[in-house]
Amino acid sequence: EIVLTQSPATLSLSPGERATLSCRASQSVTYLAWYQQKPGQAPRLLIYDASNRATGIPGRFSGSGSGTDFTLTISGLEPEDFAVYYCQQRTSWPFFGGGTKVEIK
Amino acid sequence: EVHLVESGGGLVRPGRSLRLSCAASGFNFDYSAMHWVRQAPGKGLEWVSGISWSSGHIGYADSVKGRFTISRDNAKNSLYLQISSLRPEDTAFYYCVKDNSFLPTFFDAWGQGTLVTVSS
Repeated sequence: EIVLTQSPATLSLSPGERATLSCRASQSVTYLAWYQQKPGQAPRLLIYDASNRATGIPGRFSGSGSGTDFTLTISGLEPEDFAVYYCQQRTSWPFFGGGTKVEIK
Repeated sequence: EVHLVESGGGLVRPGRSLRLSCAASGFNFDYSAMHWVRQAPGKGLEWVSGISWSSGHIGYADSVKGRFTISRDNAKNSLYLQISSLRPEDTAFYYCVKDNSFLPTFFDAWGQGTLVTVSS
């Protein structure tokens, strides 16, 4: 089973700052997705196949990486971006990382 | 527009069974793999089970294997999760989730979830 480790667990930033979230896999994965979840809401897809933005996702969200190391970058945090972010791989069946909470500093 | 509406959650005693349902609309249900993902209160996301478009490919998380059974009825655009031998640690919101493809890939639409509470 591939384990996804997200870091940091919590990221404290101010609006307008750049957020860099990490997702590291215990072995190489081919496909990686990122999701955003706000309190009381279901998650929503942000990025798929490591670097492709889902429909309707603003350009300030970008994904990069390959193999075992992946990054989600939010260039210029908006108030609505403070949320929890999860990565997910699908080597065989899907598994999630533990999540990174982006909170207002 | 894609709509996924879960039902069947509630308060259940440990050891009992429950059947969750998901009514899907707004997309070609026949062509999509589907999944159940759960989230315990205040915790992260846990993939529970998935089923390919034809039901020929089914998978379960180790934590639920042998107790949960996923199924689908393409004629009714419905997804199901039969849960047996419920444990307190099964307490969670259960989300019905649409896959982007006919086999497991990533999740492009989520329901609002149904809460299952296991307690005596």
